Amino acid sequence: ELKVEQNPLFLSMQEGKNYTIYCNYSTTSDRLYWYRQDPGKSLESLFVLLSNGAVKQEGRLMASLDTKARLSTLHITAAVHDLSATYFCAVDFASGTYKSIFGTGTRLKVLA
Amino acid sequence: GAGVSQTPSNKVTEKGKYVELRCDPISGHTALYWYRQSLGQGPEFLIYFQGTGAADDSGLPNDRFFAVRPEGSVSTLKIQRTERGDSAVYLCASSSQSAANSPLHFGNGTRLTVT
Repeated sequence: ELKVEQNPLFLSMQEGKNYTIYCNYSTTSDRLYWYRQDPGKSLESLFVLLSNGAVKQEGRLMASLDTKARLSTLHITAAVHDLSATYFCAVDFASGTYKSIFGTGTRLKVLA
Repeated sequence: GAGVSQTPSNKVTEKGKYVELRCDPISGHTALYWYRQSLGQGPEFLIYFQGTGAADDSGLPNDRFFAVRPEGSVSTLKIQRTERGDSAVYLCASSSQSAANSPLHFGNGTRLTVT
């Protein structure tokens, strides 16, 4: 069964702190994505990770991929209020066709 | 440039009625996806088109759901005999799979409420 799991589901953190969101998936994949969703809005692409050991950084967010462990992390450095949103990882499982399976999401709230 | 456009943005219908949801993808994107998102959940895959054909419809929950993309651009998701459990936000996304790193570009969704 194709499963993508994220933890934590909810995260409340103080501004200026660091934290990591984890994304585990159940079977082989060669493409993993991170998306951001603000309340009432649609999803916005943040990162695309295409190979083992890939690392991408944008501002205070850094994403990495370990395909052997079937694990991706999204690290938040010195959080600010504007990062408050729900973050989803999504994995493409190449079973004849590419379709992205999404995790349950991590709802992040950064407290001022 | 223009993004993925979905209409209507909101749809309220009575149980048992038929609804159509429309998606206009980014021009030139060959891949088109439909997802369904319930409150507090991640998007749930429904169907994926490559060009005009449905490459993967394994996510459609039952035969009340059907989608078409007759000319390889605009797509319509059709739901027959709607049920209250169909209430959700229906998201459409497109991507250019000619690029190796092609994330999904999502529309703003159609919020369907079945009363």
